[in-house]
Amino acid sequence: EDKVVQSPLSLVVHEGDTVTLNCSYEVTNFRSLLWYKQEKKAPTFLFMLTSSGIEKKSGRLSSILDKKELFSILNITATQTGDSAIYLCAVPSGNTGKLIFGQGTTLQVKP
Amino acid sequence: KAGVTQTPRYLIKTRGQQVTLSCSPISGHRSVSWYQQTPGQGLQFLFEYFSETQRNKGNFPGRFSGRQFSNSRSEMNVSTLELGDSALYLCASSLSPAGTAYEQYFGPGTRLTVT
Repeated sequence: EDKVVQSPLSLVVHEGDTVTLNCSYEVTNFRSLLWYKQEKKAPTFLFMLTSSGIEKKSGRLSSILDKKELFSILNITATQTGDSAIYLCAVPSGNTGKLIFGQGTTLQVKP
Repeated sequence: KAGVTQTPRYLIKTRGQQVTLSCSPISGHRSVSWYQQTPGQGLQFLFEYFSETQRNKGNFPGRFSGRQFSNSRSEMNVSTLELGDSALYLCASSLSPAGTAYEQYFGPGTRLTVT
């Protein structure tokens, strides 16, 4: 059965810290992995990764995919209180394409 | 470009009633997927429509159904509501079918409360 597992489930840091969020997956016919940020509303798209070893970067956020080891990491440097959110990882499932989401990592950044 | 819109944003229903939720995708997007989000289960896939055809269906009972119109707008219907149906219902749209090389963009969601 296709699955996506995120760790840690929750994390509390202070402003300025760097955090690394993990996402491992098991799917047949892997095509892409997506990261989303969810605050008190709908998830907002962050990155889509399809190729191994190529880093995607947007400001203080970056993500990389390892297709051999079946995982991705999301890094956030110099964290701010506005980074507090649930970070979701999702992978299209096998041949159906339906998105399978991980449980999410709840990040709390304290001032 | 306008984002994904969902109506209504909030809804309160009683057990046994039925409800219809609406989703308008980003202009030009032909794929619409629906998800149910609850604190205990996280985000779970309901179904996906592309060009008016249901491509995929999640593991939900037959009380959950949907459809897509020729303008790509989609509706989701839940009949005989149960307390456990209380959740945030999200729809997401993408250019091509889910799982291809195009990302999905989410709407703001409809918060359904069943009493």
